[in-house]
Amino acid sequence: AQKITQTQPGMFVQEKEAVTLDCTYDTSDQSYGLFWYKQPSSGEMIFLIYQGSYDEQNATEGRYSLNFQKARKSANLVISASQLGDSAMYFCAMRGAPRAGGTSYGKLTFGQGTILTVHP
Amino acid sequence: DTEVTQTPKHLVMGMTNKKSLKCEQHMGHRAMYWYKQKAKKPPELMFVYSYEKLSINESVPSRFSPECPNSSLLNLHLHALQPEDSALYLCASSQDPDRASYGYTFGSGTRLTVV
Repeated sequence: AQKITQTQPGMFVQEKEAVTLDCTYDTSDQSYGLFWYKQPSSGEMIFLIYQGSYDEQNATEGRYSLNFQKARKSANLVISASQLGDSAMYFCAMRGAPRAGGTSYGKLTFGQGTILTVHP
Repeated sequence: DTEVTQTPKHLVMGMTNKKSLKCEQHMGHRAMYWYKQKAKKPPELMFVYSYEKLSINESVPSRFSPECPNSSLLNLHLHALQPEDSALYLCASSQDPDRASYGYTFGSGTRLTVV
């Protein structure tokens, strides 16, 4: 079974500062993908960044970077130069790979989420 | 076209009504999903369609009935709902039902209120 843990229910950051949102995971799949999504109050789930389990380099997408530590099973999201528009709920998610012998049937499993508030 | 379109955006229905939620994508994705999300909680998977066939039903009550008429369209038929079914219903699609490297593209959701 897959499990995603986000231990920070809420985080506050000053505008223009960097912030790290924590995510740890557990899976028996050898191949898996890790994703971060942003959900504003409007409800839409917006894809931010992806990290594959076999990727050796940390993923980056503009102001977003993923600090991937496979041995520790952590996939923290770093947002640099925070903006007021970054205020939202952030979800860490994982997807396994059943064709590689995993048991997750390709389902996307979400953590509990972290509410980020950016102060001016 | 890189979007998943959901209609309606808002829906208020009585407990005796029958209504349907619609989801459409034109990205050629072969997997489509329905999620239910309560406020400040993560989305909960309801159904998975893989190559237009229902592959996963997460023990969802029969008052929710999914339908996949073709590879681009996914419906969720609602009947005799309860007030606790009020939630945001998200539709998503994925290029491949199985590969871990493909994430989901989500629609903007339907906010359902059952009165």
